[in-house]
Amino acid sequence: EDQVTQSPEALRLQEGESSSLNCSYTVSGLRGLFWYRQDPGKGPEFLFTLYSAGEEKEKERLKATLTKKESFLHITAPKPEDSATYLCAVQAGSNSGYALNFGKGTSLLVTP
Amino acid sequence: DSGVTQTPKHLITATGQRVTLRCSPRSGDLSVYWYQQSLDQGLQFLIQYYNGEERAKGNILERFSAQQFPDLHSELNLSSLELGDSALYFCASSVGTAGDEKLFFGSGTQLSVL
Repeated sequence: EDQVTQSPEALRLQEGESSSLNCSYTVSGLRGLFWYRQDPGKGPEFLFTLYSAGEEKEKERLKATLTKKESFLHITAPKPEDSATYLCAVQAGSNSGYALNFGKGTSLLVTP
Repeated sequence: DSGVTQTPKHLITATGQRVTLRCSPRSGDLSVYWYQQSLDQGLQFLIQYYNGEERAKGNILERFSAQQFPDLHSELNLSSLELGDSALYFCASSVGTAGDEKLFFGSGTQLSVL
């Protein structure tokens, strides 16, 4: 059975204090690993898709990396507007219809 | 704005009742996914439809059912509601079902069962 575990559950950073969020996964036939951002009361918003080990993608202060067992979301010099819950999800083979299997998320709070 | 529309935004009902949640996917998207989000379980996949046909099932209870209509909108029906069904229900859509496609989520329906 596919499993996605995110750590830490919650993270508090001061503005400008860089850190990383972890997503460990076990899945047979990984088609893609996704990162989403979710603000309170809203639906998840797509950030990145990673397909193979060694791949990296960047968007503003965020960089996502992928290995065979885990993914990291690096946040460089975060700002208060980066506060949100960050969700990791894996997409497996066709028998699941390619639905995303999500972790429980990391709740990030960036204080001024 | 993701382009996915969900109604209603909030729903308050009593145990034993039945409710229907509605979702309109982004223009051009053929796949619709339903997810349930609770504090302890996180986002749980319920069911997927592609162009009117059921494509995949996740952790969907027998009391729950869904369908996708010819105009591609989808409805999730929840019956014999229990207190534990209180959660945020999200609909998401994607272009097709070919894999490695990102999903676009609606703003959700907050269901409270009293």
